[in-house]
Amino acid sequence: DIQMTQSPSSLSASVGDRVTITCQASQDINNYLNWYQQKPGKAPKLLIYDASDLETGVPSRFSGSASGTDFTFTISSLQPEDIATYYCQQYENLPFTFGQGTKLQIK
Amino acid sequence: EVQLVESGGGLVQPGGSLRLSCAASGFTFSGYWMHWVRQDPGKGLVWVSRIITDGSRTSYADSVKGRFTISRDNAKNTLYLQMNSLRVEDTAVYYCARDRGNYYGHGAFDIWGQGTMVTVSS
Repeated sequence: DIQMTQSPSSLSASVGDRVTITCQASQDINNYLNWYQQKPGKAPKLLIYDASDLETGVPSRFSGSASGTDFTFTISSLQPEDIATYYCQQYENLPFTFGQGTKLQIK
Repeated sequence: EVQLVESGGGLVQPGGSLRLSCAASGFTFSGYWMHWVRQDPGKGLVWVSRIITDGSRTSYADSVKGRFTISRDNAKNTLYLQMNSLRVEDTAVYYCARDRGNYYGHGAFDIWGQGTMVTVSS
């Protein structure tokens, strides 16, 4: 199985801050990488697919990028409604696998 | 409105069975691959199973292979997960999710249900 190592596991930032989360794949996944946001008690929501494509209706402050097996998710200016846990997910191979999640809190 | 609604969760003893259902509305259900994803209480997300549009091909995580069966009824716009020989470690919230690809699988899950809780305990 492809392992997805996500970091940090938690982070605290202020409104307006630029926030970055990283995900490293254990092997080449050809940028087959998605990012999800999950708020407490809710289902995950797709934000970014194919490493850098913004899902329809998702604010442009969210973005994703790739460099080899390293992937970066960025919130350009943190908003209070962005408090959530974020997950990366690869779909290069079955079984599809997720990162461990990053819990984002407001400082 | 595009929507997925799960049902069928509950409390079951180890070794027991449950069938989860996922009712789809607001889109052409027969045109999408579908998935089940679970989340252990307070933990991360785990992909469980996938089925293609006509139900002829299915895939499973090793942890459920041979015990769980995914199926679909396109006439009823409903996805199913038959879970047999349940174990304590199957305790989780189970989500059904739509694959983003239209007629061909993509691997991103763009629509999710609200989840249904399955508790396996004696």
